[in-house]
Amino acid sequence: DTAVSQTPKYLVTQMGNDKSIKCEQNLGHDTMYWYKQDSKKFLKIMFSYNNKELIINETVPNRFSPKSPDKAHLNLHINSLELGDSAVYFCASSQVSREGRADTQYFGPGTRLTVL
Amino acid sequence: AQTVTQSQPEMSVQEAETVTLSCTYDTSENNYYLFWYKQPPSRQMILVIRQEAYKQQNATENRFSVNFQKAAKSFSLKISDSQLGDTAMYFCAFMKTGAGSYQLTFGKGTKLSVIP
Repeated sequence: DTAVSQTPKYLVTQMGNDKSIKCEQNLGHDTMYWYKQDSKKFLKIMFSYNNKELIINETVPNRFSPKSPDKAHLNLHINSLELGDSAVYFCASSQVSREGRADTQYFGPGTRLTVL
Repeated sequence: AQTVTQSQPEMSVQEAETVTLSCTYDTSENNYYLFWYKQPPSRQMILVIRQEAYKQQNATENRFSVNFQKAAKSFSLKISDSQLGDTAMYFCAFMKTGAGSYQLTFGKGTKLSVIP
């Protein structure tokens, strides 16, 4: 009963390709996130979605696009992959209160993307 | 913008001993959460402990406790009776609690090794 799941766990691809990473959460949360962890283990927010609305976009290239078909899913599409996109990508989810306060974020297992 | 600093890139501790990981942060916010996440070699991001800034009492979770000093903007993690399974990267993270503020800001992490 994985709370936040991601597929695939490993993704190896050639420069210039387009790829997607899927994320699903079964916690009933209404907000989902994508984080990037670089080779030095530094974690940085990329996107978050609340009620199907993008609410954060942190200077991420427009080759990256999050897509949320419903509250339980937030997929990450990456076009024209570059060498510098190699990293571990984490999906996370949390519940946001009616007052707009976010609760603890729970993370998926991560997807290690390698661009050759 | 918030910043989180973990000044100890690596630490080691003997099994069954106690170790303290330090974290300082910079913010002008008054309401926020602080977290410690653990990332073992499996790569999974696991919540260790959480502290609400408005609470004066330090959070504890079994062998894990924090020393939260709001005025000093310090949030250290103490691990008692260290176990081999505690070997991991530990990340300190900050999150504002105002409406629309959902992102986690992470420190660069401390790599903890528990030695048998």
